[in-house]
Amino acid sequence: DVKVTQSSRYLVKRTGEKVFLECVQDMDHENMFWYRQDPGLGLRLIYFSYDVKMKEKGDIPEGYSVSREKKERFSLILESASTNQTSMYLCASSLRGWNTGELFFGEGSRLTVL
Amino acid sequence: QQQVKQSPQSLIVQKGGISIINCAYENTAFDYFPWYQQFPGKGPALLIAIRPDVSEKKEGRFTISFNKSAKQFSLHIMDSQPGDSATYFCAARRSKGGGADGLTFGKGTHLIIQP
Repeated sequence: DVKVTQSSRYLVKRTGEKVFLECVQDMDHENMFWYRQDPGLGLRLIYFSYDVKMKEKGDIPEGYSVSREKKERFSLILESASTNQTSMYLCASSLRGWNTGELFFGEGSRLTVL
Repeated sequence: QQQVKQSPQSLIVQKGGISIINCAYENTAFDYFPWYQQFPGKGPALLIAIRPDVSEKKEGRFTISFNKSAKQFSLHIMDSQPGDSATYFCAARRSKGGGADGLTFGKGTHLIIQP
């Protein structure tokens, strides 16, 4: 059974803190993605990676960075958390080529920045 | 700039009725149009998807209708059941040289099926 695991389901951080969100997939997928989900705004793409050490900006990369040192792991980093980064963060993965067009999502990490 | 517009934002349908959610897009570079279903506390999961060279795709009670000239596509849920109550997202994929740069999602529709 395919699985995308996000290490923290709930986090509470203070403004200015550095935050790491970790995501691991066990499907040997080449592509990995970070989205944030906000009520009324849907899912918005922050960053994605199509290979180890490769990354590309999505639609809303400001205030975020990512790291992909291993194929199965994709980390989202908030260098200095701000209250407007309070959100649900979703990690996803897919095969290169996307013949099925399917993204596999984790269950999300809900981050609250105080 | 919202590239995929989804409506309605919320929808209440009686059990056994037809649920209809609509989406429209502008970018002609989109090459794949999936619908995702999300239950509370879970990540979205692929429900059904269509390519632009097909006008309709049906899987069980779920049907996608696609109008390429109008740049619109819709999800129909026939014989809607309380278990269909969820948030539904339409999406579109930009194809980039065989690679992928993610899906662009609509804002979502919160569907409630009343018993």
